[in-house]
Amino acid sequence: SQKIEQNSEALNIQEGKTATLTCNYTNYSPAYLQWYRQDPGRGPVFLLLIRENEKEKRKERLKVTFDTTLKQSLFHITASQPADSATYLCALDRGPGGYNKLIFGAGTRLAVHP
Amino acid sequence: GAGVSQSPSNKVTEKGKDVELRCDPISGHTALYWYRQRLGQGLEFLIYFQGNSAPDKSGLPSDRFSAERTGESVSTLTIQRTQQEDSAVYLCASSLSGSGSYNEQFFGPGTRLTVL
Repeated sequence: SQKIEQNSEALNIQEGKTATLTCNYTNYSPAYLQWYRQDPGRGPVFLLLIRENEKEKRKERLKVTFDTTLKQSLFHITASQPADSATYLCALDRGPGGYNKLIFGAGTRLAVHP
Repeated sequence: GAGVSQSPSNKVTEKGKDVELRCDPISGHTALYWYRQRLGQGLEFLIYFQGNSAPDKSGLPSDRFSAERTGESVSTLTIQRTQQEDSAVYLCASSLSGSGSYNEQFFGPGTRLTVL
């Protein structure tokens, strides 16, 4: 069955450093991979989408890579700030031809310390 | 404009009771999704609506779970004879369309259900 793995342990980093979160998947060939941010008591908020034919995507301080051979995505936050502290979820979907059913990982909690 | 809203925000019920959870999607969004999130876990897909039809109900855990949607508007998720394992946050999301090119999903704040 399809499986998505994210580091279950919290990632603690110092303000100003780059945070790197990992998402690995098996038994699946997604057309898209997405990253969401979730704050306590709130629903996820979409951050970035990367397609299977894209190696890298950037948005402001965020960078996502997608390696379909390794079946892995890396999510980077550069110049991290305490306000970046949240849980980050990766999600796969079926892409065009299907519908946007999302399969989520359990998320990794990021804590950025001043 | 208003985002996705859900009600109630919290629901505490006794085992065996029925509960109804409500989702108001963003106006104009034809696709609507329900997810369940247990404590410390990822989101679990429950059901997808395109308009008022549900092409994919594959995630509903048992026949105690059902959902309806009125047109391209409000949706209700009903859980009958609730069990303690139903305790979770139930999240609703909507998007412009469910098929074709990717459409971002917008999530509501969720309903936290606690079954005693």
